[in-house]
Amino acid sequence: EVQLVESGGGLIQPGGSLRLSCAASGFIVSSNCMSWVRQAPGEGLEWVSVIYSGGTTYYADSVKGRFTISRDHSKNTLYLQMNSLRAEDTAVYYCARGVSASYYGMDVWGQGTTVTVSS
Amino acid sequence: DIQMTQSPSSLSASVGDRVTITCRASQSISTYLNWYQQKPGKAPKLLIYAASSLQSGVPSRFSGSGSGTDFTLTISSLQPEDFATYYCQETNSTPWAFGQGTKVEIK
Repeated sequence: EVQLVESGGGLIQPGGSLRLSCAASGFIVSSNCMSWVRQAPGEGLEWVSVIYSGGTTYYADSVKGRFTISRDHSKNTLYLQMNSLRAEDTAVYYCARGVSASYYGMDVWGQGTTVTVSS
Repeated sequence: DIQMTQSPSSLSASVGDRVTITCRASQSISTYLNWYQQKPGKAPKLLIYAASSLQSGVPSRFSGSGSGTDFTLTISSLQPEDFATYYCQETNSTPWAFGQGTKVEIK
């Protein structure tokens, strides 16, 4: 079964760091385009970052320089390292697979992990 | 950066109604446009990719059209399970952008 399972969320103080993980099953993370998308409480979806199969990465302006997307082929896992966290980073974070043949439409999503930035 | 604007932000409709949601891009995105459905507390679900291609397993009452800057998502006959929030998303160029969402409520 094709599946994504996120972990690593929690309560963190402003300025702190957190690493989110997204474990995949049923497909190979490093062979696919993978993204992080977040949703603040009561708000819409916000795209955060993408890593293409070739390794190229991109970020939303709101997280550039603070967040880093990466992957581990041996663990078939996607990561999001989040540094210098701010209150406005509070959100549910989803990882998702984008299919290149489908114009990177994201067809598989994790269940989400909640990050709360508060003192 | 590209901005995506959806309209309306919300709508009320009855079961069996035909519903149309529009999405406009601030510049041409060809057909790099996807549509998602999200229900409360759940992850989004891909409905339409490449503006008009139906994702596998999605009912045929959902359809998409458009190219360039103007796009539409149509539900031909609204069903009880379709009450949700719908988002468009462009993948023409990074940073990718989502529309603000359209909440479809029961009339």
